[in-house]
Amino acid sequence: KAGVTQTPRYLIKTRGQQVTLSCSPISGHRSVSWYQQTPGQGLQFLFEYFSETQRNKGNFPGRFSGRQFSNSRSEMNVSTLELGDSALYLCASSLAGYQPQHFGDGTRLSIL
Amino acid sequence: EDKVVQSPLSLVVHEGDTVTLNCSYEVTNFRSLLWYKQEKKAPTFLFMLTSSGIEKKSGRLSSILDKKELSSILNITATQTGDSAIYLCAVEAVGDSNYQLIWGAGTKLIIKP
Repeated sequence: KAGVTQTPRYLIKTRGQQVTLSCSPISGHRSVSWYQQTPGQGLQFLFEYFSETQRNKGNFPGRFSGRQFSNSRSEMNVSTLELGDSALYLCASSLAGYQPQHFGDGTRLSIL
Repeated sequence: EDKVVQSPLSLVVHEGDTVTLNCSYEVTNFRSLLWYKQEKKAPTFLFMLTSSGIEKKSGRLSSILDKKELSSILNITATQTGDSAIYLCAVEAVGDSNYQLIWGAGTKLIIKP
């Protein structure tokens, strides 16, 4: 059974640009959550999608948005990138939101 | 405000030692507590503890949930260098129509040969 797949693995952008990250969950998983991880900050919850609807949202500015498609794949978009957006972005999937979640390897985003 | 606190934040021990990591929580409507291990990339699931399953064991790793003390411990015996990682604790709290997962900051464990 394939795990959670995130693309791209690495990304370098400059301030002001926008970026889209992709996440393919484990087959059969309908819940997809996104996290931002920076050194010393732990995992910061961005949002969770279930059946194409945003079900939970963390405390991030509106520059961070996401969506989920009918096949449960999810994308996360960050607009007007700032230096502080440099982080590892992790995606996790689970069966209908029930635990445990299973994580992808993440996308390392660097802002120059 | 719901919160999860892990201690210590970092720990350095020698191979063969036993370590105990702590996770305490304050949440409304607790449903489960989860432990994850994160080496370089994806956190990998270790244990899930609930009211009906307060003790879990897998090889040298074991975990106990203390619902009275609102805490959990993760024990690793006969540590190996491969146990070096960040150990994350998360607590699932259930609301009216959804749930949320509250994460601790993690414990960075370093095992010296």
